[in-house]
Amino acid sequence: GNSVTQMEGPVTLSEEAFLTINCTYTATGYPSLFWYVQYPGEGLQLLLKATKADDKGSNKGFEATYRKETTSFHLEKGSVQVSDSAVYFCALSDRTGGFKTIFGAGTRLFVKA
Amino acid sequence: DAGVTQSPTHLIKTRGQQVTLRCSPKSGHDTVSWYQQALGQGPQFIFQYYEEEERQRGNFPDRFSGHQFPNYSSELNVNALLLGDSALYLCASSLLPGQGGDTQYFGPGTRLTVL
Repeated sequence: GNSVTQMEGPVTLSEEAFLTINCTYTATGYPSLFWYVQYPGEGLQLLLKATKADDKGSNKGFEATYRKETTSFHLEKGSVQVSDSAVYFCALSDRTGGFKTIFGAGTRLFVKA
Repeated sequence: DAGVTQSPTHLIKTRGQQVTLRCSPKSGHDTVSWYQQALGQGPQFIFQYYEEEERQRGNFPDRFSGHQFPNYSSELNVNALLLGDSALYLCASSLLPGQGGDTQYFGPGTRLTVL
């Protein structure tokens, strides 16, 4: 079945450091890929998405490129802020039998001032 | 434009009780899905409703049931609560893929604690 694997956390960085959170997926067909963010005590917010190979999703300084050849969708940000501290989930759209979102386990990011 | 709303925010129940959670989808969306997020884990798909019918279901027991109303809002019911049902329950709304929807938008969730 379709699945998402992302790097384990927590990831701890100093403010203005470069961020990479790795994500790989297994899927039949051509799913859309997503990054969602969850701040403490809140629900999920869509951070960015990409719908086909070589697409780059971007938002709030975060970027991720849909790499079909490596089945990856790594999240990057050039300079993190304390306010970026949250849990980040990589996900894909699964259209088998209908439509649902399959999530990775999440990666917690701590940014220190 | 109102996003996905859920009620209540928090809920405390005891084992064996029953609970009902509610969700209103984002304006213009007709498909509602429910997810369970245990502490420290990613959300797991429970089921999805479209046109007031359950379209697909994840690996959850029959104690979990739902309903969708003509205005597209939805309820999640859980019977005979177990301690392991303690989790954040997330509602997501979308359009069907055939209508251009492949993105689900999530509500803030209902935190259920079973004692």
